[in-house]
Amino acid sequence: GQNIDQPTEMTATEGAIVQINCTYQTSGFNGLFWYQQHAGEAPTFLSYNVLDGLEEKGRFSSFLSRSKGYSYLLLKELQMKDSASYLCACVDSNYQLIWGAGTKLIIKP
Amino acid sequence: EAQVTQNPRYLITVTGKKLTVTCSQNMNHEYMSWYRQDPGLGLRQIYYSMNVEVTDKGDVPEGYKVSRKEKRNFPLILESPSPNQTSLYFCASSSTSEAYNEQFFGPGTRLTVL
Repeated sequence: GQNIDQPTEMTATEGAIVQINCTYQTSGFNGLFWYQQHAGEAPTFLSYNVLDGLEEKGRFSSFLSRSKGYSYLLLKELQMKDSASYLCACVDSNYQLIWGAGTKLIIKP
Repeated sequence: EAQVTQNPRYLITVTGKKLTVTCSQNMNHEYMSWYRQDPGLGLRQIYYSMNVEVTDKGDVPEGYKVSRKEKRNFPLILESPSPNQTSLYFCASSSTSEAYNEQFFGPGTRLTVL
């Protein structure tokens, strides 16, 4: 079966760094997305990785290891507005998206 | 402004009363999709459409219908809603039919079926 695992909830301190992990088992692999979703709002796109390695985009970076079925989202210089859920989603061999349940990130002052 | 709109945003209804949730995008996107989101579960795809008059079932299509008569609109129809369809619904669109393109989501419709 297809499965994506992420921690349910994480807590971090304002100004710090946090890493949100995502492991996946899918039938085929055509890339991995990270989306941000504030409570009660729509998900918004953060990143897409299809090749191994780290991609940096401002305070946010996303890493992918295809051989390990593993990705992480790294958030630096955390701000209160980063409090949100972070959704990991994989594109399978049929080019369909498989979504994880999301990680709720709580930022404390 | 490029956007995906959904209506209504909130709806409380009773079992068996047919309802339609509208979805419209102004970005000329080919691909549109409906999801439901429930606590502790990921987004689950209900139906998707790769272009006008082309629709396919997602992971949880039972109890739902869709149509794609125009490129911009993709309504979700619940012919006979039941309490297990109480959920948060999102419509999404992307520029091509390939799932590796960024999806743009509507604001969501919170549906309660009594």
